[in-house]
Amino acid sequence: ETGVTQTPRHLVMGMTNKKSLKCEQHLGHNAMYWYKQSAKKPLELMFVYNFKEQTENNSVPSRFSPECPNSSHLFLHLHTLQPEDSALYLCASSQVLQGGYTFGSGTRLTVV
Amino acid sequence: KNEVEQSPQNLTAQEGEFITINCSYSVGISALHWLQQHPGGGIVSLFMLSSGKKKHGRLIATINIQEKHSSLHITASHPRDSAVYICAVQTSGSRLTFGEGTQLTVNP
Repeated sequence: ETGVTQTPRHLVMGMTNKKSLKCEQHLGHNAMYWYKQSAKKPLELMFVYNFKEQTENNSVPSRFSPECPNSSHLFLHLHTLQPEDSALYLCASSQVLQGGYTFGSGTRLTVV
Repeated sequence: KNEVEQSPQNLTAQEGEFITINCSYSVGISALHWLQQHPGGGIVSLFMLSSGKKKHGRLIATINIQEKHSSLHITASHPRDSAVYICAVQTSGSRLTFGEGTQLTVNP
């Protein structure tokens, strides 16, 4: 365990389903991130939250909806996804302006 | 052209060999990260560098800011080192931009 916990580890969902990915850290970090890793591609930043406020949305489609209720928890709500959204979704946390990232183990998402 | 380029894309070595993975970038950075990703998907941060050289066990990372280049070295490689090694640069704020990764396989 790295200190960043993601659940579930694996998720299969239909295109009409609604599901949520959860990320939790108790490292005292104040920045949290969602990244997407598709097959054969570099990781792509999706969202950044600093001090619970969203500071970056990297042109992510609205079928992905993040939520950060407090500095320890981050969610990614999913609805009406497409098969091309199948990927590994990674959460990370850090201290703002200090780097030192800690990554979770990821959620392997398959959209059928 | 990607802002972060890694080479080689794939590397196969025999146990005990000295390994070097290279990373070149084209933007101004505040720091460079080396990450390790195992088949299950989880990522472990190995190094964060802004200058010079860092060493941790058998791993050494160097960076040349003027040349916009970094290297990750593994001494006395072992099969358990088999993983994808990813270079990432930190630009504005906390944003990371990633290379495509180097798949390393170390055979016994």
